[in-house]
Amino acid sequence: DIQMTQSPSSLSASVGDRVTITCRASQSISSYLNWYQQKPGKAPKLLIYAASSLQSGVPSRFSGSGSGTDFTLTISSLQPEDFATYYCQQSYSTPRAFGQGTRLEIK
Amino acid sequence: QVQLVQSGAEVKKPGASVKVSCKASGYTFTSYGISWVRQAPGQGLEWMGWISAYNGNTNYAQKLQGRVTMTTDTSTSTAYMELRSLRSDDTAVYYCARERGELGAFDIWGQGTMVTVSS
Repeated sequence: DIQMTQSPSSLSASVGDRVTITCRASQSISSYLNWYQQKPGKAPKLLIYAASSLQSGVPSRFSGSGSGTDFTLTISSLQPEDFATYYCQQSYSTPRAFGQGTRLEIK
Repeated sequence: QVQLVQSGAEVKKPGASVKVSCKASGYTFTSYGISWVRQAPGQGLEWMGWISAYNGNTNYAQKLQGRVTMTTDTSTSTAYMELRSLRSDDTAVYYCARERGELGAFDIWGQGTMVTVSS
C-alpha cells in the first residue's frame, strides 16, 4: 500500500502570509495527488486535483505542484477563512490513502 | 445542484450493524463511483472502499474486508454502506464522496453521518 506523509503536522501563520504544505508518497504516484480543506464539523472540500489543477470555484491563491513522490500545496496570501486542516490524498491506486493532515492555525 | 445527502445519526451497541445511505441528485448517478471515508473523533480521514454505480463493482480496504458491504440502488440514485460487528473504534463520522472519473478525486461529499458505538 502507498503511504502518504504530510509536513508539517501543524502550522501557525498570519493573515497575508504565504504558506506551503508538503506531501510525500512512499512510491511514485505520477500526478494522482489531490488536496482537500476541512473545517471543524464540515465535510472535506476538494481544492486541487491531479497535483496542480484548481477545482472550480476555489480561489486562485491556492496552487499545487509536484509529481512522482513529492508534492506541495501553496496558499499565496492567507485569508481568515483559510484557517482549517488540509489533507493530501493519492488516487493512483487503492487503497486511496490520505495524509495525516496539516492543521493551519492563526498566529 | 449536484449533491449527496446522507441518512441521520445512529447509535449502536457493540456487535450490531449499521447501514448508512447516500442519495445523489443533480447528476447521472451511474456515471461515477462512490467512495466511503470515515473520520474518528479528532482523527484524520480513512478511506473505507469504493463502489461503481455503473456496475456495482467494489473495492474495500483490507482492514474492513468481511465486515463492510457497499451497494447501490440505481432506481433511487442511492448508495449504501453497511458495517457489521461494530466495535467502539468504529465510532466516527462516515462520509460518502463522488469519485471523479479516472483522476480519482472526491469532488462532491455528503454531509456526514455520525455513528456512535456504545454499550
